[in-house]
Amino acid sequence: GESVGLHLPTLSVQEGDNSIINCAYSNSASDYFIWYKQESGKGPQFIIDIRSNMDKRQGQRVTVLLNKTVKHLSLQIAATQPGDSAVYFCAESEGGSYIPTFGRGTSLIVHP
Amino acid sequence: SQTIHQWPATLVQPVGSPLSLECTVEGTSNPNLYWYRQAAGRGLQLLFYSVGIGQISSEVPQNLSASRPQDRQFILSSKKLLLSDSGFYLCAWIGGAGNTIYFGEGSWLTVV
Repeated sequence: GESVGLHLPTLSVQEGDNSIINCAYSNSASDYFIWYKQESGKGPQFIIDIRSNMDKRQGQRVTVLLNKTVKHLSLQIAATQPGDSAVYFCAESEGGSYIPTFGRGTSLIVHP
Repeated sequence: SQTIHQWPATLVQPVGSPLSLECTVEGTSNPNLYWYRQAAGRGLQLLFYSVGIGQISSEVPQNLSASRPQDRQFILSSKKLLLSDSGFYLCAWIGGAGNTIYFGEGSWLTVV
């Protein structure tokens, strides 16, 4: 479900480092997963998605890994840049469900 | 291509005043529409969703209401705002056969 009452965890990295943001999900029937990036004062933007028949998917500088055994999702950002500073949310959904479940979000801070 | 618009982007309202936030989606038909609220530094809280004209489901009981007068229009309203209604309101949609949710740019509401 949604953790709306908790402050967001924070990940601080140096520019150029690789970042790994993790997300645990609870519904073993979820078969579609999405990562969003939300910059300050803006709506969340779609980054990358993955279906449950895959365990890895790559985009431009981003990779999503899915471990269905332990219900864990991660977003890897290569060569992190200051422009990557934002809050990152994972979302999961099951089959024909039209109500995705969002993770609590992680604040990524990239230091120049 | 599909786009989503919501307005106003920012508003400051006194306690007890009414509220109307509007959202429209272009480039798709019969989308699922959503209103989320996000307190500063917090996660996403689903308020309402709609699968069709006139069909509204409420996730959180409160003094807010939603309406869908047209296929691609979703309105969030209140008759009397409370201080606790302050936050960042996001309209979102899912269209077609997919279940990727896309967000608008958000509306900042400050109740004073």
